[in-house]
Amino acid sequence: DSGVTQTPKHLITATGQRVTLRCSPRSGDLSVYWYQQSLDQGLQFLIQYYNGEERAKGNILERFSAQQFPDLHSELNLSSLELGDSALYFCASSPQTGEVVGEQYFGPGTRLTVT
Amino acid sequence: QQQVKQSPQSLIVQKGGISIINCAYENTAFDYFPWYQQFPGKGPALLIAIRPDVSEKKEGRFTISFNKSAKQFSLHIMDSQPGDSATYFCAASIGKGGKLIFGQGTELSVKP
Repeated sequence: DSGVTQTPKHLITATGQRVTLRCSPRSGDLSVYWYQQSLDQGLQFLIQYYNGEERAKGNILERFSAQQFPDLHSELNLSSLELGDSALYFCASSPQTGEVVGEQYFGPGTRLTVT
Repeated sequence: QQQVKQSPQSLIVQKGGISIINCAYENTAFDYFPWYQQFPGKGPALLIAIRPDVSEKKEGRFTISFNKSAKQFSLHIMDSQPGDSATYFCAASIGKGGKLIFGQGTELSVKP
């Protein structure tokens, strides 16, 4: 158990809908990362937040957005869903001591199925 | 330039054998190279990682070999066990806190 929690575990929704995935990082970790895992694209970085601020952005679609709240939990919002958005979505967190950032620890993921 | 290429895609090894997975990268700015292990239905779990200032790192049965000039690194699993059957991903980043660029994954099956 990495200490990173994600809810829900599974999500089934229809095309055109909007969903919110939630992530709670390990206690004290300030950085949160979101990754998408699909059969054709593999594991791809979406976005990173550090202490509430966006730190880095990957190939995240404009239909997707994220935020990190003052209690450090993060939410990934996916809207106007398409069949191709069906994937596993992972959240990871990492600690930071001063300028030194630690390894990324992954949560169990949310499996999104768009029908 | 951001890609990390991983091979083989799948690997079958007998119990007690050595499993070897290879990765290659292009971006010389990468300075952190972790390996993750993923079981079905679970998130990737950090296995072992290396920085480019060392050529080898060993933790138990797992060893990373790193060749900076060739821009290649590999994972060796000694005395492979059926419990090691999983998908293995190499990755690279700029700094530990940087976004991870993952290889395509290797599905390892260790036969008893």
